[in-house]
Amino acid sequence: AQSVTQLDSQVPVFEEAPVELRCNYSSSVSVYLFWYVQYPNQGLQLLLKYLSGSTLVKGINGFEAEFNKSQTSFHLRKPSVHISDTAEYFCAVSGPDGGSQGNLIFGKGTKLSVKP
Amino acid sequence: NAGVTQTPKFRVLKTGQSMTLLCAQDMNHEYMYWYRQDPGMGLRLIHYSVGEGTTAKGEVPDGYNVSRLKKQNFLLGLESAAPSQTSVYFCAVRRTGKGYEQYFGPGTRLTVT
Repeated sequence: AQSVTQLDSQVPVFEEAPVELRCNYSSSVSVYLFWYVQYPNQGLQLLLKYLSGSTLVKGINGFEAEFNKSQTSFHLRKPSVHISDTAEYFCAVSGPDGGSQGNLIFGKGTKLSVKP
Repeated sequence: NAGVTQTPKFRVLKTGQSMTLLCAQDMNHEYMYWYRQDPGMGLRLIHYSVGEGTTAKGEVPDGYNVSRLKKQNFLLGLESAAPSQTSVYFCAVRRTGKGYEQYFGPGTRLTVT
């Protein structure tokens, strides 16, 4: 069965510092990968997704992620964070049917806390 | 253009009571999903629908039922609420085809006492 592991449950960081949120997945087939952000008391919003092609994917709010097939990773990065980036971030992978049902398997989330 | 809406936003139930959560969309997407979110657990799929009149079980379907009588609405029912169903419930929608993202509603916070 597919699974997603977010290696850090909480990441504290100072404003304007770089950040990396780590995500590893397990799958025996090609997958689609997503990062979502959840601000307090809100629903999830798509940051970026990887379907195919270039392994470096750029998303909204200055975030980017790199797909590494050999390491089965999809880490999220931002070179300089702002207070407003404080939120919970979820990595997700498409289901074993390659995504036709659209079912996503989510990691348990990483809470990013940006301090002044 | 509201996207995905959920009703109600908050609800407190006593054990054994029943209720229905409504998810409505104006995006005309075929696929709809119900998730629950619990601290440290991420999102877990309860039920989903790939079109009007169809439903299927997800990862944690026990204690819940769903119906999709109209394309734009997806209802989640709790027939006899239990404290273990205290959670935040999210609805999501998605268009047909591979690789499309899901769009989420704002959530319903349910407490069962």
